[in-house]
Amino acid sequence: DADVTQTPRNRITKTGKRIMLECSQTKGHDRMYWYRQDPGLGLRLIYYSFDVKDINKGEISDGYSVSRQAQAKFSLSLESAIPNQTALYFCATSDLFSADLNEQFFGPGTRLTVL
Amino acid sequence: SQQGEEDPQALSIQEGENATMNCSYKTSINNLQWYRQNSGRGLVHLILIRSNEREKHSGRLRVTLDTSKKSSSLLITASRAADTASYFCATVPGGGADGLTFGKGTHLIIQP
Repeated sequence: DADVTQTPRNRITKTGKRIMLECSQTKGHDRMYWYRQDPGLGLRLIYYSFDVKDINKGEISDGYSVSRQAQAKFSLSLESAIPNQTALYFCATSDLFSADLNEQFFGPGTRLTVL
Repeated sequence: SQQGEEDPQALSIQEGENATMNCSYKTSINNLQWYRQNSGRGLVHLILIRSNEREKHSGRLRVTLDTSKKSSSLLITASRAADTASYFCATVPGGGADGLTFGKGTHLIIQP
């Protein structure tokens, strides 16, 4: 089984709808991240969390919110989706005990299309 | 803003040849990492080089780091068709372990 899973894998929605993307991990890592990738670009950080009580904004947090329900679960919400949020979304984890290295482990991604 | 910039943006070579990709970054780093992404899929960590290292090897991969020039290179030797993918450099800032800052990537195509 995959260590980092994301649901759904694909989603098409309409402008104004609320969308939740979910991420679960079995690696036992404390740190979790949400990134988005646009065509021809690298990944950009949306939010990250170092533990259940810790949430931090990344480079492009506007229009998004997150919830860390448990160590293993980190959800990303789009409160009112807009077309320029169409992108590939990735969840990632890293291990607290190699915190200075911050090698990250990625999920398979969620392809979101906002019409 | 994106820290790293890979060069070239795209590279096409014959199977068996060596592929070299470069990455430049702007601020001080703790370490620099290279990731591979097969089309539309998740990223896979390839190799990490710390700021106090100059060269590192892992199988057919060789990474160099020049902190004075704020640049790194990734060499893949004896390329295979399965190496076709996008390759990204990512930096960890010197101050801590927040999210990675990625470049835009190099798309590598290995011609059989």
